[in-house]
Amino acid sequence: EVQLLESGGGSVQPGGGSLRLSCAASGFSFGSYAMSWVRQAPGKELEWVSVIRGSGGHTYYAASYYADSVKGRFTISRDNSMNTLYLQMNSLRVEDTAVYYCAKGVAVDGMIYFDSWGQGTPVTVSS
Amino acid sequence: AIQLTQSPSSLSASVGDRVTITCRASQDIRKGLGWYQQKPGKTPKLLIYGASSLESGVPSRFSGSGSGTDFTLTISSLQPEDFATYFCQHFNSYPFLFAFGPGTKVDIK
Repeated sequence: EVQLLESGGGSVQPGGGSLRLSCAASGFSFGSYAMSWVRQAPGKELEWVSVIRGSGGHTYYAASYYADSVKGRFTISRDNSMNTLYLQMNSLRVEDTAVYYCAKGVAVDGMIYFDSWGQGTPVTVSS
Repeated sequence: AIQLTQSPSSLSASVGDRVTITCRASQDIRKGLGWYQQKPGKTPKLLIYGASSLESGVPSRFSGSGSGTDFTLTISSLQPEDFATYFCQHFNSYPFLFAFGPGTKVDIK
């Protein structure tokens, strides 16, 4: 059974605040799959944040991509030996307040969908 | 970037009703669309991928159709556990990014 367990959320002040989210994965060949972070502000729609491609079991370079809203502030990474996904969030803003979900990507006919999701970890950015 | 819109933004329906939700893409995405269900306080769940393929374990009362720019999610006979918000999603390979629709909330009439 696929399990994704996020941690690391919390409350920080805007401007200089930083947080590092983690997502511990089990039940599948972690290194073979694209992994993503998706966030949801209270009462709002889902917003894709970042994705890192599968690297075939190696922890060396895996291509990563970001939404424009977080580019240059957030960094996604993965440790395939630990089956863990990370999101380093710097220069946090009030508008980054949301529940952050870790999601496993599955490729079908050149498309990627998210077939498993974690329970989410809340991030609050407020003065 | 491709934009997704959904209609209606919310609807009220009764158990047993046939419900149809629409997702429209700002440009041709062929059959590259997924649908998700999210219940209050819960994590999203993949229902449909490739516009019309049913994810394993999803009840057959859910179906998807469409291609190009217009897509629909249909619930043939609404059940109590189907009251939730439904999102559509597209993946774009160049640039490499994902888009979600704004959601359609289905509640009890």
